[in-house]
Amino acid sequence: ETGVTQTPRHLVMGMTNKKSLKCEQHLGHNAMYWYKQSAKKPLELMFVYSLEERVENNSVPSRFSPECPNSSHLFLHLHTLQPEDSALYLCASSQSGLAGNEQFFGPGTRLTVL
Amino acid sequence: GENVEQHPSTLSVQEGDSAVIKCTYSDSASNYFPWYKQELGKGPQLIIDIRSNVGEKKDQRIAVTLNKTAKHFSLHITETQPEDSAVYFCAASYFGNEKLTFGTGTRLTIIP
Repeated sequence: ETGVTQTPRHLVMGMTNKKSLKCEQHLGHNAMYWYKQSAKKPLELMFVYSLEERVENNSVPSRFSPECPNSSHLFLHLHTLQPEDSALYLCASSQSGLAGNEQFFGPGTRLTVL
Repeated sequence: GENVEQHPSTLSVQEGDSAVIKCTYSDSASNYFPWYKQELGKGPQLIIDIRSNVGEKKDQRIAVTLNKTAKHFSLHITETQPEDSAVYFCAASYFGNEKLTFGTGTRLTIIP
């Protein structure tokens, strides 16, 4: 595997379900991100982890719970979601501290909440 | 916080013609401006970036210009090809900041 991988690629869940999204980066980076991408909206930053510490939580509802067990893996735990949470969830990674901030994105998980 | 506006939201150009996408930003502290291309079913991919100490940067058919005084930057694609069809996002940040602020995206369609 190379780059940033995400699983599953598609997920359909009911409002009472609990599920998790997984992201893995194979680039040796030390920062990881979760973004939400909805139609006709800018990419919304949800969470940032740098050196496995959460450095940003962009006022995200508590029904989204991130976990970063090490610098290569990032999870997004989902529970009691709403239909408006249906979107493409993108994971990205970067090397913190370098000039500029090139972020490498995974292909995303298409989430549908029924 | 930073706010990035992007125009147009959709753009159709004839194959071989040029395409221009424009962005404005609000935070004068921003000094890093990347452009990402997102193809169907994929995540965004960096195609070019510019830092505030230069006014223009080129990479083959792609160029980006930056006007710090006016707080705007633009993406120029020349001799467009069908594979240029995608959604393009601009973004702004500053060195050492983990956060990129993205524009709303431009769907570019190249007409054969």
